[in-house]
Amino acid sequence: EAQVTQNPRYLITVTGKKLTVTCSQNMNHEYMSWYRQDPGLGLRQIYYSMNVEVTDKGDVPEGYKVSRKEKRNFPLILESPSPNQTSLYFCASSSYRDRAGSPLHFGNGTRLTVT
Amino acid sequence: QQPVQSPQAVILREGEDAVINCSSSKALYSVHWYRQKHGEAPVFLMILLKGGEQKGHEKISASFNEKKQQSSLYLTASQLSYSGTYFCGTSAGANNLFFGTGTRLTVIP
Repeated sequence: EAQVTQNPRYLITVTGKKLTVTCSQNMNHEYMSWYRQDPGLGLRQIYYSMNVEVTDKGDVPEGYKVSRKEKRNFPLILESPSPNQTSLYFCASSSYRDRAGSPLHFGNGTRLTVT
Repeated sequence: QQPVQSPQAVILREGEDAVINCSSSKALYSVHWYRQKHGEAPVFLMILLKGGEQKGHEKISASFNEKKQQSSLYLTASQLSYSGTYFCGTSAGANNLFFGTGTRLTVIP
């Protein structure tokens, strides 16, 4: 089954404790992206990747890191999480380099709480 | 760069129609529409590319006016299953997709 898999689904952590949210897709998509969703603010892009070893900042990259060493994986790293990073996170992927014309496939989301 | 959606929320009775609007201050290459049910991931509905096309998906259709940098989503004869939050996503080029803040649609019997 074609899918984007995120783990974990729920995560509660404390300020400053490094964490990684994993994202994997089995559709051989070139493009992958991370979004955070907060009430009233919609989906805001954190980072995106056009292909292996190619990443770029989205709208709200501060406090986050990503890597794209393999085509299927695009982990989101929070080196020192803070309470303002409490949010619902979605990973998404799509085919083609010209992603403006390709549907995004979303993972099921990771609800992160930083205390 | 985030597109503006209107209305923010709408309540319909089954069988009624609705229109959701999405506008951008930037020249657009494409507009995406997604629906998100509570607690779930957004699900793709349709993409409209530069050229002013109109698309349809069952009783849900959309138009894209590139001159006005606007897109509208039309829901006809709404069903209970149409309830959810609708997002438009706009792109001015090949890289970034910017999403609106969403329109919460509630269909009641």
